[in-house]
Amino acid sequence: QKEVEQNSGPLSVPEGAIASLNCTYSDRGSQSFFWYRQYSGKSPELIMSIYSNGDKEDGRFTAQLNKASQYVSLLIRDSQPSDSATYLCAVTDSSYKLIFGSGTRLLVRP
Amino acid sequence: EAGVAQSPRYKIIEKRQSVAFWCNPISGHATLYWYQQILGQGPKLLIQFQNNGVVDDSQLPKDRFSAERLKGVDSTLKIQPAKLEDSAVYLCASSPINRGKKRQGSYEQYFGPGTRLTVT
Repeated sequence: QKEVEQNSGPLSVPEGAIASLNCTYSDRGSQSFFWYRQYSGKSPELIMSIYSNGDKEDGRFTAQLNKASQYVSLLIRDSQPSDSATYLCAVTDSSYKLIFGSGTRLLVRP
Repeated sequence: EAGVAQSPRYKIIEKRQSVAFWCNPISGHATLYWYQQILGQGPKLLIQFQNNGVVDDSQLPKDRFSAERLKGVDSTLKIQPAKLEDSAVYLCASSPINRGKKRQGSYEQYFGPGTRLTVT
């Protein structure tokens, strides 16, 4: 059973802090990795994609990938209350099907 | 560029009734997906279409769920008869991926607003 694991949270951080969200996956054949943000009652919104080992930065977001450790993370710098949402990690399996984790709920305290 | 469109946004039905959902993907996207998302869980793939052909329906409960994508554009997902455990949000997504054109970025999936189904 191919799995994507995330801590359900909530992860609570003060405004302006760095939020660190982590994800592990079981399929060593995975090639594509994504972070989606989902506000309550809304659909998932793609915020980051990463395909090779290392860091990828986009504004306040940095995705980190370590294929050897089967680990993906998302850093949110200067966290804002508007960043409060559930963050879903998604990984393509070896047949390119997208497998989602259950998400980590982030709360940014003003 | 218009996003993925879905309708209806909400539906309440009694168990054993039938229901249908509609999805129109982003223009030019070859691949269309239907997901089921139960509260507190990540989306689970029900079926994947490549143009108008089925690529993966391994997790579709075929005794009650059916889906089609005629002409390779719009798609409908039907449940008949519905059960209480079908209460969930049904999400449609699309991506530009096309078989034989595997490249970074082509697997990015974009979601519609979803249909919240309540079965009573």
